[in-house]
Amino acid sequence: DIQMTQSPSSLSASVGDRVTITCRASQGIRNDLGWYQQKPGKAPKRLIYAASSLQSGVPSRFSGSGSGPEFTLTISSLQPEDFATYYCLQHNSYPYTFGQGTKLEIK
Amino acid sequence: EVQLVESGGGLVQPGRSLRLSCTTSGFTFGDSSMSWVRQAPGKGLEWVGFIKSNTYGGTTEYAASVKGRFTISRDDSKSIAYLQMNNLKTEDTALYYCTKSGRLDYWGQGTLVTVSS
Repeated sequence: DIQMTQSPSSLSASVGDRVTITCRASQGIRNDLGWYQQKPGKAPKRLIYAASSLQSGVPSRFSGSGSGPEFTLTISSLQPEDFATYYCLQHNSYPYTFGQGTKLEIK
Repeated sequence: EVQLVESGGGLVQPGRSLRLSCTTSGFTFGDSSMSWVRQAPGKGLEWVGFIKSNTYGGTTEYAASVKGRFTISRDDSKSIAYLQMNNLKTEDTALYYCTKSGRLDYWGQGTLVTVSS
């Protein structure tokens, strides 16, 4: 199975900060990676697909990069609504696997 | 607008069965693969399994933790995906989400399954 190692597990930041979350794949996954945002009591929402493509309707302050084994999600200027938990997902091979999650909290 | 609505969750005893449904609208269901993901209380996301469209044989894949106990199926005439869960264990307690496609682009709101005696 492909392991997705996500870091950090938690992060405190302030409105306006630039933050970066990283996922490292244990094997090659090409660009078969997505990033998801989950707010408490809500379903996850996809932000980025194919490692770097922005989902329609998602603010441009979110961006993804990387081509294996390391991928990053960057939020260029944190807004109050961005405080949530973020997950990466590899869908290159079965079983699909998620990172452990990054909880982004207000400093 | 793409919509996915899960139903069928509830409280069930260990060893029993439950079938979840995912009723969809807003896209061509027959052309889409469908996935199920679960989230245990306070935990992260776990991929459960996947069914391809019938165009691609309707084949399925499962996580090792559910293989042999869970079965994903689909009814293209009703635009519904199903998750049949047999021999349920306490560790299957989770919020179950259905998602559109193998890339998990759209998600339902989930249905809670609690396995307890």
